[in-house]
Order: sequence, then structure tokens, then C-alpha cells
Amino acid sequence: ILNVEQSPQSLHVQEGDSTNFTCGFPSSNFYALHWYRWETAKSPEALFVMTLNGDEKKKGRISATLNTKEGYSYLYIKGSQPEDSATYLCAFINTDKLIFGTGTRLQVFP
Amino acid sequence: ETGVTQSPTHLIKTRGQQVTLRCSSQSGHNTVSWYQQALGQGPQFIFQYYREEENGRGNFPPRFSGLQFPNYSSELNVNALELDDSALYLCASSFDREEKLFFGSGTQLSVL
Repeated sequence: ILNVEQSPQSLHVQEGDSTNFTCGFPSSNFYALHWYRWETAKSPEALFVMTLNGDEKKKGRISATLNTKEGYSYLYIKGSQPEDSATYLCAFINTDKLIFGTGTRLQVFP
Repeated sequence: ETGVTQSPTHLIKTRGQQVTLRCSSQSGHNTVSWYQQALGQGPQFIFQYYREEENGRGNFPPRFSGLQFPNYSSELNVNALELDDSALYLCASSFDREEKLFFGSGTQLSVL
């Protein structure tokens, strides 16, 4: 059974703090790793699509790294803002399946 | 550019009934996938269609079935509904199976 593990499950930080989350996935039959942000009452929105070992992606204050050999990805948020409050999901794609983790719920307090 | 739209937004059914959920893909997308989101879990992959053919399936029983039409819109059918089928059902489309997903706002299904 393929499993995608995200940690921590939830995180509460102060505005201005930097934070990071982990996504662990199987290291075999890797195709791609996605990160999504899911705000309450909205649809999940893609942040990054990562395909190559060593990939680093950046979008504003958010960045992500990928290690396919050891099966993990990190998502970093620099200087968290209240609008970053959301659930962050990673999804592992192999030959015929797309598997989401359970997400990290981030709450940023002003 | 139109987004992904799902209908209906909410639905209440009783155990044993059948349900059809609909999804209209974003323009130009040939891949659609369906997910079940239960409380406290990440979206669970049900299946994916690429150019009208199923090309991936999660751990869901055969009573979960789907279709993708020539215009790339899609249906999810669930037969013999069970109480545990109560969940948010999300549809997502993409240009290809590895590309980022564009999600609809979901259909909230309640089975009583």
C-alpha cells in the first residue's frame, strides 16, 4: 500500500515566523510530486509541480525542495502572513495513481 | 478561460440509492480525476480518465464508476450507496496526468 506522510499535522505560528513542512513518499516509480494550498471554503490550488531529484521551486515567500532518492519534499514559508493560513497538501504521482497526504494545517496569528 | 465546475454542490441520498456527480473540465484539459475527501483525511484518489479512457484507479470498489465524454466533461457514478460514502467529492482536470490539477469546488454528498 502506497502511503504519503505529511508532518506536522497542524502548526500555529506568529505572523513573521518562518516555517516548514515535510512530505514523505515512496521512492520507487516516481513521476512527480505536487504541492497544493487549500484555503477554507475554496478549492485546492496548485503551488508547485516537481519532477526532478534536487528540484527547488520558489513562488514569492514559498519554496519547495525535492529528494526523490530518499522520498521527501520540504515546503518552506518565509515570514508567514495571516493569508498563508490554509491546509497544505502534497501529492505523489506514480505510474497510475495520484496519492495525497492528509495535509498540514497552518494557522498564522497576527 | 473557464474553470472546473461541478454539479450539484450538495446532495442528500439514502442508503442503497445511486448517484451521479458531474464535472466540466477546464478548457483544453484532456485529463480528469476524481477524489473523495472524508473528514480528517487527504483527498483519496478514485480514478483518472485520459482522453475518455480510465488510466488509473485507487482502492475503491467497482460500484464507483466513471465516464469521460468527447468534450472532456466527466461523471462519477456511485451505486448502492453506503453511509461511509458521505464525503466531499472533488473533480480536477489537467493538461496531462503529471501536470498540476485544477480543482472544482466539490459536491458534498450526504448518505442517510
